[in-house]
Amino acid sequence: KNQVEQSPQSLIILEGKNCTLQCNYTVSPFSNLRWYKQDTGRGPVSLTIMTFSENTKSNGRYTATLDADTKQSSLHITASQLSDSASYICVVSGGDDKIIFGKGTRLHILP
Amino acid sequence: ETGVTQTPRHLVMGMTNKKSLKCEQHLGHNAMYWYKQSAKKPLELMFVYSLEERVENNSVPSRFSPECPNSSHLFLHLHTLQPEDSALYLCASSQALLGQGDLPLHFGNGTRLTVT
Repeated sequence: KNQVEQSPQSLIILEGKNCTLQCNYTVSPFSNLRWYKQDTGRGPVSLTIMTFSENTKSNGRYTATLDADTKQSSLHITASQLSDSASYICVVSGGDDKIIFGKGTRLHILP
Repeated sequence: ETGVTQTPRHLVMGMTNKKSLKCEQHLGHNAMYWYKQSAKKPLELMFVYSLEERVENNSVPSRFSPECPNSSHLFLHLHTLQPEDSALYLCASSQALLGQGDLPLHFGNGTRLTVT
């Protein structure tokens, strides 16, 4: 069964600290993996997209990694800011046009 | 702004009401989507339109009725909803149907629907 599992479900860190969010998937065949950021009351916004041949991609303080062999991805946030408080959603696209969403990780940054 | 505009932002309706959600995209995209986002659940795809033709309907109850009059506008007509239909309804668009390349989805900010 095609699934995307994210951990942790929620995370609280202090401003300025780093954190890493995890995404494990069982989607096969695999096409690409995206990370989205969803602020409260807003729609998701794309942060990164990685295909099978890419194992890391950065967008400012956000760095996503992909291990297609172990079917794992991570999103690392460096020097967190209050504006990073949001839900982060991992989305995996299968080669058969299926798009599977994770439940998201809710990140809270405390001042 | 994301280029995808949804109205209204909030909607409260009774189970016997009829209402419509509206989505408009200003990106020149050819594909549009309706998603349902419930608390602690992944986004659920409801409907997909490509070039104004419905290409996917994920077994959504008939009390939800989509309409795509042109490639820029998408509606979701609601009638006799149930309290469990309360959720955030997100509209999205993409340049072409997802799966045809590494195309991102552009989401609107959603309509927060409460059914009483």
